[in-house]
Amino acid sequence: DIQMTQSPSSLSASVGDRVTITCRASQSISIHLNWYQQKPGKAPKLLIHGTSSLESGVPSRFSGSGSGPDFTLTISSLQPEDFATYYCQQSYNPPLTFGGGTKVEIK
Amino acid sequence: EVQLVESGGGLVQPGRSLRLSCTASGFTFDDYAMHWVRQVPGQGLEWVSGISWNSGSIGYADSVKGRFTLSRDNAKNSVYLHMTSLRAEDTALYYCARERQQLALYDAFHMWGQGTMVTVSS
Repeated sequence: DIQMTQSPSSLSASVGDRVTITCRASQSISIHLNWYQQKPGKAPKLLIHGTSSLESGVPSRFSGSGSGPDFTLTISSLQPEDFATYYCQQSYNPPLTFGGGTKVEIK
Repeated sequence: EVQLVESGGGLVQPGRSLRLSCTASGFTFDDYAMHWVRQVPGQGLEWVSGISWNSGSIGYADSVKGRFTLSRDNAKNSVYLHMTSLRAEDTALYYCARERQQLALYDAFHMWGQGTMVTVSS
């Protein structure tokens, strides 16, 4: 199975900060890396698919990059509505494993 | 309205069975692969199982393989997760999810339901 190691597990940041979250795959996953945002009591929401393709309706302050094994989600200027937990996921091979999550909290 | 609605969760004793259902509306259901993802409250996401648009390919997490069976009925716009030999560690919120691309398998999950809670306890 492909292991996805996400870091950090949590971070504190202020509105306007640039935030970077990293995900490392235990083996090659090509570009099949996706990012989700989850707010308390809500289902996850797809932000980015295929490493860097922004989902329709997702603000452009979100971006994804990477070329394996390391992938990055960047929020260029953190907004109040961005405080949430973020998960990476590989969709290269089953089982479709998720990272452990990064909780972004208000400093 | 485009949505996924899960049902069938509840309290069940260890060793018993339960069937979860996910009914879709607002899109061409039989064009998309469907998945189940579970989440223990306060913890991370775990992929459980996925099925291709035509039921030709089905995958399972190692943790449920041999105990859970995934199927779909395209005429009813529904996907079903039949869970047997349930264990305490199967306790979680179970989400149904639809893939992003038509006629694919193993892609990002574009749409999610609100989940149905399964509690395995005596």
